[in-house]
Amino acid sequence: KAGVTQTPRYLIKTRGQQVTLSCSPISGHRSVSWYQQTPGQGLQFLFEYFSETQRNKGNFPGRFSGRQFSNSRSEMNVSTLELGDSALYLCASSRGGTGPLGTEAFFGQGTRLTVV
Amino acid sequence: DAKTTQPNSMESNEEEPVHLPCNHSTISGTDYIHWYRQLPSQGPEYVIHGLTSNVNNRMASLAIAEDRKSSTLILHRATLRDAAVYYCILSPTGNQFYFGTGTSLTVIP
Repeated sequence: KAGVTQTPRYLIKTRGQQVTLSCSPISGHRSVSWYQQTPGQGLQFLFEYFSETQRNKGNFPGRFSGRQFSNSRSEMNVSTLELGDSALYLCASSRGGTGPLGTEAFFGQGTRLTVV
Repeated sequence: DAKTTQPNSMESNEEEPVHLPCNHSTISGTDYIHWYRQLPSQGPEYVIHGLTSNVNNRMASLAIAEDRKSSTLILHRATLRDAAVYYCILSPTGNQFYFGTGTSLTVIP
C-alpha cells in the first residue's frame, strides 16, 4: 500500500513569510501527527489531528497551526517565519484509536524547510 | 509525559545480537513502550511496541521488565542496514510521541 506522502520535499522561504506543508496519510488512517526535527532540539511533537479535529497539541507558539480535511489529508501552516523554523517537518499517520491501543505510526520522509 | 533514558551511542559487530536498553521508571499503567528507529535522511520507522509481555516480530524482540520500569530492544543479528538512531518512547497511543535523544547504533563490519 502507498505510504505517507509529504509535499513538497524541499522548500526555501524568506523570514516573515508563511508556508503550508501537506501530508497525505495511508488510506484508512484517520490520525495525522506533525513533528519538527532540528539538530539542536531533536524530534518534537507539534500536534495531532483526528477526524478533522485537533486532538493533541505540543508546546509550540500559535504561529504553527494545522488542519485536517474530510479525506484525512492534513496541512500544516507556519506564519511569520523565523530563521529558527528551519527544520525537517515530519508527519505520521496511524489508525488513530483512542485509549491504550498503542497503534503503529507510519512516518513520511518529511519536508525540509529552510528559512533565509 | 513519562520520560525515557537511553545510552547516547552503542556499537555492535555485524551479525551479532544487539541489546538496546531503555529505562522508564515513571511509566504509567496505560503507557505502551514503543520503539522507532531513524535511518539517515529518513523519517522514523516503527520497530516494535508492547505493554507488559515480551513481544517478537520479524524485525526485533522487546523484553519488558516485570515492574515495567525498563525494557530492552533486541536485534538478533545486526546488519549494516540496522545502523540508525533508536528511540524508546512511552505513549498510551500511537498518535502522540515525545521523542528523547535516542541511541545511535553503529554496526561494525
